[in-house]
Amino acid sequence: AQRVTQPEKLLSVFKGAPVELKCNYSYSGSPELFWYVQYSRQRLQLLLRHISRESIKGFTADLNKGETSFHLKKPFAQEEDSAMYYCALSGMGGGSNYKLTFGKGTLLTVNP
Amino acid sequence: DGGITQSPKYLFRKEGQNVTLSCEQNLNHDAMYWYRQDPGQGLRLIYYSQIVNDFQKGDIAEGYSVSREKKESFPLTVTSAQKNPTAFYLCASSLTGGFNEQFFGPGTRLTVL
Repeated sequence: AQRVTQPEKLLSVFKGAPVELKCNYSYSGSPELFWYVQYSRQRLQLLLRHISRESIKGFTADLNKGETSFHLKKPFAQEEDSAMYYCALSGMGGGSNYKLTFGKGTLLTVNP
Repeated sequence: DGGITQSPKYLFRKEGQNVTLSCEQNLNHDAMYWYRQDPGQGLRLIYYSQIVNDFQKGDIAEGYSVSREKKESFPLTVTSAQKNPTAFYLCASSLTGGFNEQFFGPGTRLTVL
């Protein structure tokens, strides 16, 4: 079974401070990991994915297979980063493995 | 902002009634999904469909039913058998395959009185 754990329900930081949203996963094969974000009154949308290795809005995430983690990081948080962040996992291969499994989410608040 | 639409935005129903939530997409995506979003629970997959006339149960399919008669449409029926139907329901679509980005609709908030 595949599982995603986001240990922090709430995270509060000050503007300009570094931020790290934690994500750990459990999967027997080689997973593909994603971060989705939901800003206030907006749709859930993809922030970044491991396979593309992009930096979006200053956020990066590194897949650590040894620690089974995919933590989301940003060196200097901005107020507009305040949102709900979801880590998600999709298993590699065909058949039923392609479905996304989401963590429970972390609500990030960046204070001025 | 087309793409994927859900209607209605808010829905109220009496206990014991079936209700159908609409999801339409014009992105030419083969795959469509229904999730339920509850506070503190994240998103949980109800049903998904990779192609027209085919769909599979997700993690919490009990009390729900779907159909996929057209590529653009994937309606979800919440039946009276669903014990806790009050929730926020999200529809999504993607290109076929495991690692493609899912695009989400704005959601429908269902309240059962």
